[in-house]
Amino acid sequence: EPEVTQTPSHQVTQMGQEVILRCVPISNHLYFYWYRQILGQKVEFLVSFYNNEISEKSEIFDDQFSVERPDGSNFTLKIRSTKLEDSAMYFCASSEAGQAYGYTFGSGTRLTVV
Amino acid sequence: AQSVTQLGSHVSVSEGALVLLRCNYSSSVPPYLFWYVQYPNQGLQLLLKYTTGATLVKGINGFEAEFKKSETSFHLTKPSAHMSDAAEYFCAVSDNGGATNKLIFGTGTLLAVQP
Repeated sequence: EPEVTQTPSHQVTQMGQEVILRCVPISNHLYFYWYRQILGQKVEFLVSFYNNEISEKSEIFDDQFSVERPDGSNFTLKIRSTKLEDSAMYFCASSEAGQAYGYTFGSGTRLTVV
Repeated sequence: AQSVTQLGSHVSVSEGALVLLRCNYSSSVPPYLFWYVQYPNQGLQLLLKYTTGATLVKGINGFEAEFKKSETSFHLTKPSAHMSDAAEYFCAVSDNGGATNKLIFGTGTLLAVQP
Protein backbone atom coordinates (compact mmCIF):
# COMPACT_ATOMS: atom_id res chain seq x y z
CA GLU A 1 0.00 0.00 0.00
CA PRO A 2 1.37 3.46 -0.87
CA GLU A 3 2.89 5.34 2.02
CA VAL A 4 3.85 8.85 2.95
CA THR A 5 7.48 8.79 4.04
CA GLN A 6 8.96 11.26 6.49
CA THR A 7 12.61 11.79 7.36
CA PRO A 8 14.19 11.97 9.79
CA SER A 9 12.10 10.15 12.38
CA HIS A 10 13.82 12.04 15.19
CA GLN A 11 15.73 15.30 15.15
CA VAL A 12 17.36 17.18 17.98
CA THR A 13 18.43 20.74 17.33
CA GLN A 14 19.67 23.70 19.29
CA MET A 15 17.48 26.71 19.79
CA GLY A 16 17.97 29.22 17.01
CA GLN A 17 19.07 26.65 14.44
CA GLU A 18 17.29 26.00 11.17
CA VAL A 19 15.70 22.63 10.56
CA ILE A 20 14.23 21.06 7.47
CA LEU A 21 11.73 18.25 7.79
CA ARG A 22 11.25 16.11 4.71
CA CYS A 23 8.28 14.26 3.34
CA VAL A 24 7.68 12.17 0.25
CA PRO A 25 3.93 12.16 -0.45
CA ILE A 26 2.09 9.49 -2.40
CA SER A 27 2.93 10.02 -6.04
CA ASN A 28 -0.52 10.73 -7.49
CA HIS A 29 -1.68 12.91 -4.62
CA LEU A 30 -2.26 16.60 -5.29
CA TYR A 31 -2.78 18.12 -1.85
CA PHE A 32 -0.10 18.24 0.80
CA TYR A 33 -0.27 19.20 4.45
CA TRP A 34 1.77 19.65 7.58
CA TYR A 35 0.32 19.11 11.03
CA ARG A 36 1.89 19.43 14.44
CA GLN A 37 1.26 17.62 17.71
CA ILE A 38 2.85 19.02 20.83
CA LEU A 39 3.34 16.28 23.40
CA GLY A 40 0.05 15.47 25.11
CA GLN A 41 -1.96 17.86 22.99
CA LYS A 42 -4.15 17.56 19.95
CA VAL A 43 -3.03 17.48 16.37
CA GLU A 44 -3.06 20.96 14.84
CA PHE A 45 -3.16 22.06 11.22
CA LEU A 46 -0.17 24.09 10.07
CA VAL A 47 -0.37 24.51 6.32
CA SER A 48 -1.79 23.10 3.11
CA PHE A 49 -0.14 23.17 -0.28
CA TYR A 50 -1.66 22.72 -3.70
CA ASN A 51 -0.51 23.50 -7.20
CA ASN A 52 2.89 24.58 -5.93
CA GLU A 53 1.65 27.20 -3.55
CA ILE A 54 0.28 27.55 -0.06
CA SER A 55 -3.49 27.35 -0.14
CA GLU A 56 -4.12 27.84 3.54
CA LYS A 57 -2.10 28.34 6.70
CA SER A 58 -2.91 28.54 10.36
CA GLU A 59 -1.92 31.27 12.79
CA ILE A 60 0.81 28.95 14.04
CA PHE A 61 2.47 29.09 10.63
CA ASP A 62 4.28 32.39 11.04
CA ASP A 63 7.26 33.83 9.20
CA GLN A 64 9.59 31.31 10.81
CA PHE A 65 7.96 28.53 8.81
CA SER A 66 8.11 27.84 5.11
CA VAL A 67 7.21 24.97 2.81
CA GLU A 68 8.26 24.00 -0.64
CA ARG A 69 8.20 21.17 -3.11
CA PRO A 70 11.69 21.51 -4.54
CA ASP A 71 11.75 18.65 -7.00
CA GLY A 72 8.20 17.47 -7.63
CA SER A 73 8.41 14.62 -5.17
CA ASN A 74 9.70 15.90 -1.84
CA PHE A 75 7.65 18.26 0.30
CA THR A 76 9.61 20.09 2.98
CA LEU A 77 8.86 22.12 6.07
CA LYS A 78 11.56 24.56 7.14
CA ILE A 79 11.75 26.25 10.50
CA ARG A 80 14.25 29.09 10.22
CA SER A 81 15.12 29.78 13.83
CA THR A 82 13.78 27.12 16.15
CA LYS A 83 12.33 27.89 19.54
CA LEU A 84 11.81 25.58 22.48
CA GLU A 85 8.08 25.63 21.84
CA ASP A 86 8.61 24.20 18.36
CA SER A 87 9.34 20.85 19.99
CA ALA A 88 6.61 18.57 18.71
CA MET A 89 5.76 15.71 16.41
CA TYR A 90 5.35 16.97 12.88
CA PHE A 91 3.15 14.99 10.53
CA CYS A 92 3.07 15.26 6.79
CA ALA A 93 -0.05 14.16 4.93
CA SER A 94 -1.18 13.96 1.35
CA SER A 95 -4.55 13.61 -0.27
CA GLU A 96 -5.54 12.67 -3.78
CA ALA A 97 -8.36 15.18 -4.13
CA GLY A 98 -11.02 16.42 -1.77
CA GLN A 99 -12.21 15.48 1.68
CA ALA A 100 -13.86 12.27 0.59
CA TYR A 101 -10.56 10.63 -0.05
CA GLY A 102 -9.25 11.40 3.38
CA TYR A 103 -5.62 11.70 4.05
CA THR A 104 -2.64 9.46 4.27
CA PHE A 105 -0.38 10.51 7.11
CA GLY A 106 3.29 9.85 7.44
CA SER A 107 4.70 8.39 10.64
CA GLY A 108 5.98 11.75 11.77
CA THR A 109 9.20 13.49 12.72
CA ARG A 110 9.78 14.12 16.39
CA LEU A 111 11.57 17.44 16.72
CA THR A 112 13.24 18.29 19.99
CA VAL A 113 14.63 21.79 20.44
CA VAL A 114 17.15 22.12 23.27
CA ALA B 1 -16.20 27.13 11.88
CA GLN B 2 -15.97 23.44 12.49
CA SER B 3 -14.97 21.98 15.83
CA VAL B 4 -14.81 18.59 17.49
CA THR B 5 -15.35 17.62 21.10
CA GLN B 6 -14.26 14.28 22.46
CA LEU B 7 -15.76 13.48 25.83
CA GLY B 8 -13.39 11.61 28.08
CA SER B 9 -9.66 12.02 27.64
CA HIS B 10 -9.12 8.58 29.17
CA VAL B 11 -11.33 5.52 28.81
CA SER B 12 -10.58 2.16 30.37
CA VAL B 13 -12.37 -1.07 29.47
CA SER B 14 -11.87 -4.73 30.18
CA GLU B 15 -10.81 -7.06 27.42
CA GLY B 16 -13.95 -8.34 25.70
CA ALA B 17 -16.06 -5.41 26.82
CA LEU B 18 -17.78 -2.86 24.60
CA VAL B 19 -15.72 0.11 23.51
CA LEU B 20 -17.53 3.45 23.18
CA LEU B 21 -15.58 6.60 22.40
CA ARG B 22 -17.63 9.74 22.09
CA CYS B 23 -17.30 12.48 19.51
CA ASN B 24 -19.53 15.48 18.91
CA TYR B 25 -18.96 17.96 16.16
CA SER B 26 -20.00 21.43 15.22
CA SER B 27 -20.36 22.35 11.60
CA SER B 28 -22.41 24.81 9.61
CA VAL B 29 -22.24 22.60 6.53
CA PRO B 30 -22.57 18.84 6.08
CA PRO B 31 -19.44 17.47 7.64
CA TYR B 32 -17.02 14.81 6.62
CA LEU B 33 -16.04 12.92 9.76
CA PHE B 34 -13.09 10.71 10.55
CA TRP B 35 -11.64 8.56 13.31
CA TYR B 36 -7.89 8.09 13.50
CA VAL B 37 -5.88 5.84 15.78
CA GLN B 38 -2.37 6.55 17.03
CA TYR B 39 -0.34 3.78 18.57
CA PRO B 40 2.57 4.77 20.80
CA ASN B 41 5.36 6.47 18.89
CA GLN B 42 3.58 5.99 15.59
CA GLY B 43 1.69 8.12 13.11
CA LEU B 44 -2.01 8.55 12.54
CA GLN B 45 -3.88 5.68 10.94
CA LEU B 46 -7.34 6.13 9.47
CA LEU B 47 -9.88 3.86 11.16
CA LEU B 48 -12.97 4.94 9.26
CA LYS B 49 -14.66 7.90 7.64
CA TYR B 50 -18.11 9.23 6.90
CA THR B 51 -18.66 11.34 3.82
CA THR B 52 -22.15 10.72 2.43
CA GLY B 53 -24.62 7.86 2.21
CA ALA B 54 -24.98 5.19 4.86
CA THR B 55 -24.70 6.68 8.31
CA LEU B 56 -23.23 3.55 9.88
CA VAL B 57 -19.70 3.14 8.68
CA LYS B 58 -17.43 0.22 9.31
CA GLY B 59 -13.71 0.51 9.61
CA ILE B 60 -10.67 -1.55 10.26
CA ASN B 61 -10.08 -3.76 13.28
CA GLY B 62 -13.80 -4.25 13.94
CA PHE B 63 -14.57 -0.61 14.70
CA GLU B 64 -17.62 1.20 13.46
CA ALA B 65 -19.19 4.62 13.91
CA GLU B 66 -22.61 6.07 13.32
CA PHE B 67 -23.24 9.57 12.04
CA LYS B 68 -26.24 11.05 13.84
CA LYS B 69 -27.05 14.45 12.43
CA SER B 70 -29.76 15.19 14.99
CA GLU B 71 -27.28 14.62 17.80
CA THR B 72 -24.26 16.04 15.93
CA SER B 73 -22.42 12.92 17.00
CA PHE B 74 -20.05 10.39 15.47
CA HIS B 75 -19.31 7.95 18.28
CA LEU B 76 -16.87 5.11 17.75
CA THR B 77 -17.74 1.62 18.93
CA LYS B 78 -16.35 -1.88 18.98
CA PRO B 79 -18.34 -4.78 20.44
CA SER B 80 -15.42 -6.53 22.08
CA ALA B 81 -12.17 -4.86 23.08
CA HIS B 82 -8.83 -6.49 22.48
CA MET B 83 -5.57 -5.71 24.19
CA SER B 84 -4.18 -4.51 20.87
CA ASP B 85 -6.82 -1.74 20.77
CA ALA B 86 -4.98 0.20 23.44
CA ALA B 87 -4.05 3.46 21.73
CA GLU B 88 -5.09 7.07 21.39
CA TYR B 89 -8.11 7.79 19.21
CA PHE B 90 -8.79 11.07 17.49
CA CYS B 91 -12.03 12.22 15.97
CA ALA B 92 -11.72 14.77 13.18
CA VAL B 93 -13.94 16.83 10.94
CA SER B 94 -13.06 18.03 7.51
CA ASP B 95 -13.32 21.69 6.71
CA ASN B 96 -16.00 21.02 4.16
CA GLY B 97 -16.67 24.67 3.48
CA GLY B 98 -13.06 25.60 2.93
CA ALA B 99 -10.82 25.40 -0.06
CA THR B 100 -8.20 23.08 1.25
CA ASN B 101 -9.85 20.22 3.10
CA LYS B 102 -7.90 20.58 6.30
CA LEU B 103 -8.76 18.35 9.21
CA ILE B 104 -9.79 19.70 12.58
CA PHE B 105 -9.02 17.26 15.35
CA GLY B 106 -10.44 16.64 18.76
CA THR B 107 -8.20 16.42 21.79
CA GLY B 108 -8.09 12.64 21.66
CA THR B 109 -9.17 9.78 23.90
CA LEU B 110 -6.62 7.42 25.33
CA LEU B 111 -8.07 3.92 25.45
CA ALA B 112 -6.70 1.46 27.99
CA VAL B 113 -7.69 -2.20 27.82
CA GLN B 114 -7.41 -4.16 31.04
CA PRO B 115 -6.88 -7.92 30.99
